Amino acid sequence: NAGVMQNPRHLVRRRGQEARLRCSPMKGHSHVYWYRQLPEEGLKFMVYLQKENIIDESGMPKERFSAEFPKEGPSILRIQQVVRGDSAAYFCASSPGRLQVTSTDTQYFGPGTRLTVL
Amino acid sequence: ILNVEQSPQSLHVQEGDSTNFTCSFPSSNFYALHWYRWETAKSPEALFVMTLNGDEKKKGRISATLNTKEGYSYLYIKGSQPEDSATYLCAFTDSNYQLIWGAGTKLIIKP
Repeated sequence: NAGVMQNPRHLVRRRGQEARLRCSPMKGHSHVYWYRQLPEEGLKFMVYLQKENIIDESGMPKERFSAEFPKEGPSILRIQQVVRGDSAAYFCASSPGRLQVTSTDTQYFGPGTRLTVL
Repeated sequence: ILNVEQSPQSLHVQEGDSTNFTCSFPSSNFYALHWYRWETAKSPEALFVMTLNGDEKKKGRISATLNTKEGYSYLYIKGSQPEDSATYLCAFTDSNYQLIWGAGTKLIIKP
């Protein structure tokens, strides 16, 4: 049973370009979470999605960032017009059920995408 | 604003010694407390989830306790080994089902 997959593992972009980060959850998981780890900092929650729905995007910057989790295919975190401050590791996690249903839901993390903005 | 504090921020421990560190969280609206282990260049891995006051969980040399009334959890490592070197994260779920992460305790085991 494959774990959470993220690609690419490393992504280099120039300022002003777009970055697309992909996350395929574990088989049987329909809930996806995106986190950002800035250099020398811990995990910061960004967004929580179910299939075709954004449940909680309270951690997402208001501009340039968007996320989707279509019915088919991976979840995508999209960053438009990247700036140097976007350089970070972006982690995706998945869980089988919503925390609201079971508070003991464990999140399973992908290996992360390391974004470098030149 | 809900806050989860972990202390210390980093910790150097001699191989073979035992150690422990703390996760503090709001004592009201508690739902669950999770511990994750995060090795460098890898992704966080779940260790424990605890829901009841007084809960104690154990996995090999690692154990955790929970006090929901005073809002803290301890993680203990007995007889530290080099492979225990990692950042240990705790995450708190409140009754609004929000998951809030601490900044982690970075543990370095010295051979």
